Amino acid sequence: ILNVEQSPQSLHVQEGDSTNFTCSFPSSNFYALHWYRWETAKSPEALFVMTLNGDEKKKGRISATLNTKEGYSYLYIKGSQPEDSATYLCATHGRGGSEKLVFGKGMKLTVNP
Amino acid sequence: NAGVMQNPRHLVRRRGQEARLRCSPMKGHSHVYWYRQLPEEGLKFMVYLQKENIIDESGMPKERFSAEFPKEGPSILRIQQVVRGDSAAYFCASSPRGGTGTGKNQPQHFGDGTRLSIL
Repeated sequence: ILNVEQSPQSLHVQEGDSTNFTCSFPSSNFYALHWYRWETAKSPEALFVMTLNGDEKKKGRISATLNTKEGYSYLYIKGSQPEDSATYLCATHGRGGSEKLVFGKGMKLTVNP
Repeated sequence: NAGVMQNPRHLVRRRGQEARLRCSPMKGHSHVYWYRQLPEEGLKFMVYLQKENIIDESGMPKERFSAEFPKEGPSILRIQQVVRGDSAAYFCASSPRGGTGTGKNQPQHFGDGTRLSIL
């Protein structure tokens, strides 16, 4: 069974703090790593799709890195704001590069003003 | 530019009834995926369809569940003879082409989900 692990499971920070969370996945048969941002009662919003070892992507204050050899990706939020409060999901493709996404359980971020 | 549209947003059924969940993909998208989120769990893949074809149904329960994506109209996830354990949020996603191979940079775009409650 392909396991995608995220840590920590939840995080409470103060406005202005920077945050850093981890997604771990099997490094063999890697195809692509997806990050999503999911606000309560809304749909998951695609942040990044990363495919190459050493990839770094950035969107505003959010950035992500990818290490396919050791099987992990980091998501950073610089200077967290209350509107960053959401669940952050990572997912990778199923074995053999199948189309289905295998998701981690998510990391719930709460940013207090 | 409408996103992925799912309806209804909330659906209540009694045990033994049928539930039909609809998903209209984004314009120009021909690949549809269904995922389910059970209480206290993450998103789990159910089925992947292209127009008129089921490509991967490895996540579908063996009985009572079926999915289709006809040439015209939305994709339908159908649950027959619902039981309490079917209560979950069901999400549909779409992409313009497959997320692997030549299209492996394509994200899947999600709808707002249908919350199914079984009484």
